[in-house]
Amino acid sequence: QQQVKQSPQSLIVQKGGISIINCAYENTAFDYFPWYQQFPGKGPALLIAIRPDVSEKKEGRFTISFNKSAKQFSLHIMDSQPGDSATYFCAASKAAGNKLTFGGGTRVLVKP
Amino acid sequence: EPEVTQTPSHQVTQMGQEVILRCVPISNHLYFYWYRQILGQKVEFLVSFYNNEISEKSEIFDDQFSVERPDGSNFTLKIRSTKLEDSAMYFCASTVGAGELFFGEGSRLTVL
Repeated sequence: QQQVKQSPQSLIVQKGGISIINCAYENTAFDYFPWYQQFPGKGPALLIAIRPDVSEKKEGRFTISFNKSAKQFSLHIMDSQPGDSATYFCAASKAAGNKLTFGGGTRVLVKP
Repeated sequence: EPEVTQTPSHQVTQMGQEVILRCVPISNHLYFYWYRQILGQKVEFLVSFYNNEISEKSEIFDDQFSVERPDGSNFTLKIRSTKLEDSAMYFCASTVGAGELFFGEGSRLTVL
């Protein structure tokens, strides 16, 4: 019940295209859903986060869509750039600052 | 910008040896975490620490693991007798409370 499932495992997108990563969770006690970006050799860094009282949150080229009834959320990267090439992890916790349960990660490669 | 710092960046050890990984969390943070990431896999929660005691630990965090905050700035993870399967990247993270979790760049542990 603690799992967060993430798909796809990897994604190749052309520069300027849209990257879409999906996550599903089981634990209805989760109340905070961040996305982390990780470059090789670095630690995860918070990209954007959402709480279930909103269905969408946008920050620049990054948008989270949230479907509470389906227990699913997704990250959209608009106008993907080569610098966006990284591994993206969705995560969930019972509150901001609490322990995170991570999805399996999606390796995104943006081709110039 | 304040950051979580970890040492060493890479440690190679023999099976059965003790290892101590060190972290300096962000100075005003109160909650501290260790996560690990086996190569190519997801980030997994190990332990959380608050008010000088463990607040939660995962099944991975068995009797071979311990954490300590020996002074006001350092937060350490000790593995008493390392096994091959302990080879992973270990991330320290900290937060002030109900906010963003900040990760360090990680310590890569290789057990031979």
